[in-house]
Amino acid sequence: QSALTQPASVSGSPGQSITISCTGTSSDVDNYRFVSWYQQHPDKAPRLIIYEVTKRPLGVPDRFSVSNSGNTAYLTISGLQPEDEADYFCSSYTGGIHNWVFGGGTRLTVL
Amino acid sequence: QVQLQESGPGLVKPSQTLSLTCTVSGDSISDGRHFWSWIRQPAGKGLEWIGRVYTTGTTNYNPSLKSPVTISVDTSKNQFTLKLASVTAADTAIYYCARTSGSYFTHWGQGTLVTVSS
Repeated sequence: QSALTQPASVSGSPGQSITISCTGTSSDVDNYRFVSWYQQHPDKAPRLIIYEVTKRPLGVPDRFSVSNSGNTAYLTISGLQPEDEADYFCSSYTGGIHNWVFGGGTRLTVL
Repeated sequence: QVQLQESGPGLVKPSQTLSLTCTVSGDSISDGRHFWSWIRQPAGKGLEWIGRVYTTGTTNYNPSLKSPVTISVDTSKNQFTLKLASVTAADTAIYYCARTSGSYFTHWGQGTLVTVSS
């Protein structure tokens, strides 16, 4: 069982928007600044897509965005494209004890 | 282009030591701009951060780990190494190395599967 809770799967059609939730506790996700998101295609290395709340590395389109509410962070992918089909997982850093926790991952299917 | 590549045995016997190396290219560990982490994922389960090392050899480890763990760095080879002692079947997982910047992991290796079995 993962420390952060994500839905196992979501799906959407090309052009639609989907949202993936990441729920933690007041000691992790509640500090949104330390939540990051990753994309992983089958047999590929995970790729950082969101860090420090809303920042995106070079090359990550602005179709990927994040919002937060309480102990839950949300990743929204708008204008779904076939290449978005992948696993997505969240992570939260606890600075005081230098530790990270992860979500179990969400499989996105683009119908 | 920063790349990380894990290497090491794919099969380890119970009670022995699991040893993996991560070779970094496109960046220099000795520059001291990042930490370098190990992360693992057992089959069907979520990711687990194992620990990180800095160019000076300073380390931080996940306090929840049950097996003794050591992460070290070899700046001359631009590599860092994971050693997990007294492994059990519960240590069977895909092991990733990753460049760590503040609260996030900027680049990851492809991952290597390590199976603990006699």
